[in-house]
Amino acid sequence: DIVMTQTPLSLSVTPGQPASVSCKSSQSLLHSDGKTYLYWYLQKAGQPPQPLMYEVSNRFSGVPDRFSGSGSGTDFTLRISRVEAEDVGVYYCMQSIQVTFGQGTRLEIK
Amino acid sequence: EVQLVESGGGLVQPGGSLRLSCAASGFTFSHHWMHWVRQAPEKGLVWVSRIDDEGSDTGYADSVKGRFTISRDRAKNTVYLQMNSLRTEDTAIYFCARGGYYDYYGLDVWGQGTTVIVSS
Repeated sequence: DIVMTQTPLSLSVTPGQPASVSCKSSQSLLHSDGKTYLYWYLQKAGQPPQPLMYEVSNRFSGVPDRFSGSGSGTDFTLRISRVEAEDVGVYYCMQSIQVTFGQGTRLEIK
Repeated sequence: EVQLVESGGGLVQPGGSLRLSCAASGFTFSHHWMHWVRQAPEKGLVWVSRIDDEGSDTGYADSVKGRFTISRDRAKNTVYLQMNSLRTEDTAIYFCARGGYYDYYGLDVWGQGTTVIVSS
């Protein structure tokens, strides 16, 4: 199985400040079709996960542009340029080649 | 509106069975792989099972293989998860999620989830 490892597991950010979450996979997520199947989700309290990013760096419809994704191969990063109160929750990376999730990173507001 | 609505959760004793349902609407159900993902209390997301658009290709996590069976009814736009020989560690919220046209596409629509509690 492809293991996904996120760091940090929690972070506390002042509103308006940036934040980033790292995700590393145990195998390359580059598919033979040339795309990399790495996704990011945000799960707010009591809700299902909501999709943020697909194929590393593409925002799903409706996702604010303060969210961005980068990386390749086995190393990926989700960045929030200016954290807002509504960004609180747990962020998960996921690879869809075999479907496994990272452990999650809890974001709280200072 | 694209929507997935799960049902069928509840309280069941260890060794018992439950069948979860996920009703899809607002999109062409027959064009998508479908998945079940679960989340134990205060834990992370864990993939459980998936099924292809035709219902002929399925996959399972090792933890549920041989006990759970995924299926779909294209006429009813519904995917099912038959859960047998339930264990306390199967206690979780079970989410239905939409995949893509290929098995390696990610999950872009999630249901609200249905809660399964396995306890004596």
